[in-house]
Amino acid sequence: EAQVTQNPRYLITVTGKKLTVTCSQNMNHEYMSWYRQDPGLGLRQIYYSMNVEVTDKGDVPEGYKVSRKEKRNFPLILESPSPNQTSLYFCASSLGMGWDYGYTFGSGTRLTVV
Amino acid sequence: AQSVSQHNHHVILSEAASLELGCNYSYGGTVNLFWYVQYPGQHLQLLLKYFSGDPLVKGIKGFEAEFIKSKFSFNLRKPSVQWSDTAEYFCAVSGATNKLIFGTGTLLAVQP
Repeated sequence: EAQVTQNPRYLITVTGKKLTVTCSQNMNHEYMSWYRQDPGLGLRQIYYSMNVEVTDKGDVPEGYKVSRKEKRNFPLILESPSPNQTSLYFCASSLGMGWDYGYTFGSGTRLTVV
Repeated sequence: AQSVSQHNHHVILSEAASLELGCNYSYGGTVNLFWYVQYPGQHLQLLLKYFSGDPLVKGIKGFEAEFIKSKFSFNLRKPSVQWSDTAEYFCAVSGATNKLIFGTGTLLAVQP
């Protein structure tokens, strides 16, 4: 089954403790992206990647890092999480530059930073 | 800069009522337009998309949307809603930057 898999689904952590949220897709998609979803703000893009070793900042990149060493994986790294990063995070992938298929989204990771 | 506005934050309807959710975007060039749906506790799913051609787009589950270029609008419609349509609906647009910009979402509650 074609899908985007995120882990973990739920995570509670403390301020300053580094964490990684994993994202993997099995569709050989080139384009991957991370969004955070907050009430009243919709989805805001954190980082995106056009292909392996090619990443760029989205609209709200502060406090986040990403890497794209392999085509299928696009982990989101919070080096020193803070409470304002408490949010619902979605990873997404797309076939490429064109929007023929839209995005395929993962099931989300609900992060709470205390 | 591209932006998307969804006018209705919360909509409450009775079953069988007609639905129209507003979406306006600001971008002067060629755009691709999308509606996504998020059912409670689930991830976003694509409802329909517009790239070019017929401005009336039909999607899954009886939804449709009309692209009106002169009004910069892409409103979502359904003639008769069901309780199972209770969800949050997001309009999204992409332009030359190839970034997908989302609106703030509309929460639809359908009462049986």
